[in-house]
Amino acid sequence: GDSVTQMEGPVTLSEEAFLTINCTYTATGYPSLFWYVQYPGEGLQLLLKATKADDKGSNKGFEATYRKETTSFHLEKGSVQVSDSAVYFCALRGKAAGNKLTFGGGTRVLVKP
Amino acid sequence: DVKVTQSSRYLVKRTGEKVFLECVQDMDHENMFWYRQDPGLGLRLIYFSYDVKMKEKGDIPEGYSVSREKKERFSLILESASTNQTSMYLCASSPGGVNTEAFFGQGTRLTVV
Repeated sequence: GDSVTQMEGPVTLSEEAFLTINCTYTATGYPSLFWYVQYPGEGLQLLLKATKADDKGSNKGFEATYRKETTSFHLEKGSVQVSDSAVYFCALRGKAAGNKLTFGGGTRVLVKP
Repeated sequence: DVKVTQSSRYLVKRTGEKVFLECVQDMDHENMFWYRQDPGLGLRLIYFSYDVKMKEKGDIPEGYSVSREKKERFSLILESASTNQTSMYLCASSPGGVNTEAFFGQGTRLTVV
């Protein structure tokens, strides 16, 4: 079945540091890939997505590229801020009936001033 | 504005009780999902539905059932609550299709004592 594996946290960084969160997936066919973010005390919200191979999703300075050859969708940001402290979830959506949405385990990121 | 509303933010129930968690969306979405979120385990899919009266098991359906009698409402039922069902429960909805974004409710923190 579909699955998503992402690096475990917590990840602790200083402000303006470079952030990478690794995500790899297993799926039948060619799924769509997503990054969701959960800020403290809030619900999940979409950060970015990519729907086919070599697509790059971007939002709020974050980027991720859909790599079919390595089945990966790593999240990056060049210069993090304290306000980026959150839990980040990688997810995939398959093409079977109902388009099941499968999440990874989440990575907590803490950015210190 | 998109809205997914879960009936309770916090709930405390006794072991053996039948528990109903309600979720309502106002966007005429075809797909609805129930997840539980536990530290270190990420979001795990319990059930999802892609049409009225249609339901599919997710990855951890044991001990749960669902009901979708109307398009806007998706209910999660704990037939006989147990302490290992203490968790954060998240409801989401989305339009049909593999590329579409899911919208999440604020979550229900359920404690079974």
